[in-house]
Amino acid sequence: DTEVTQTPKHLVMGMTNKKSLKCEQHMGHRAMYWYKQKAKKPPELMFVYSYEKLSINESVPSRFSPECPNSSLLNLHLHALQPEDSALYLCASSQQFSYEQYFGPGTRLTVT
Amino acid sequence: QKEVEQNSGPLSVPEGAIASLNCTYSDRGSQSFFWYRQYSGKSPELIMSIYSNGDKEDGRFTAQLNKASQYVSLLIRDSQPSDSATYLCAVNLDSGGSNYKLTFGKGTLLTVNP
Repeated sequence: DTEVTQTPKHLVMGMTNKKSLKCEQHMGHRAMYWYKQKAKKPPELMFVYSYEKLSINESVPSRFSPECPNSSLLNLHLHALQPEDSALYLCASSQQFSYEQYFGPGTRLTVT
Repeated sequence: QKEVEQNSGPLSVPEGAIASLNCTYSDRGSQSFFWYRQYSGKSPELIMSIYSNGDKEDGRFTAQLNKASQYVSLLIRDSQPSDSATYLCAVNLDSGGSNYKLTFGKGTLLTVNP
């Protein structure tokens, strides 16, 4: 089973809202990732967690705040987003770094 | 700057033909290579991984890796209309502290015509 789940599937939020995206995997993977993907572009790495600790922040604005409550869950907290933050947000996991990364279905975010 | 290059396409092939997708990468230290398929509006789906020189076959898919030429390809045999998607080549540098990061090409749009 190589399933990564994400909720919600779609999210519309205003620029003053606070919302959270959730990601879950039960494959025992120790690395988890958040990506952002704009239309007709490849995924762009945002954050990397390894063994539940934040390893990499790819210079992401502070209005995006990741959290890893346990080895299976990954959250992305959103606050005061801009319309240009509208995108498909993807969660992925892998057994370790450099192994295959499996993506969840994504959350389509629209900021109004 | 580590780069992964793909022809953006569109690549159009008739149903039943072989589709050939190509990818070159700039960093000789790259160790892990992946092909993802992405349907419009959906997330990337891993279809092949390859780590050593040569061919790797899985059903109708064959990945080919040539590290000396810094080239990786994906062949799709007996192409079906359901194979119509964007194919993303992704490369992982397995050294120098960067082995967490997948570098993606821009993707090749494949259209299989019935």
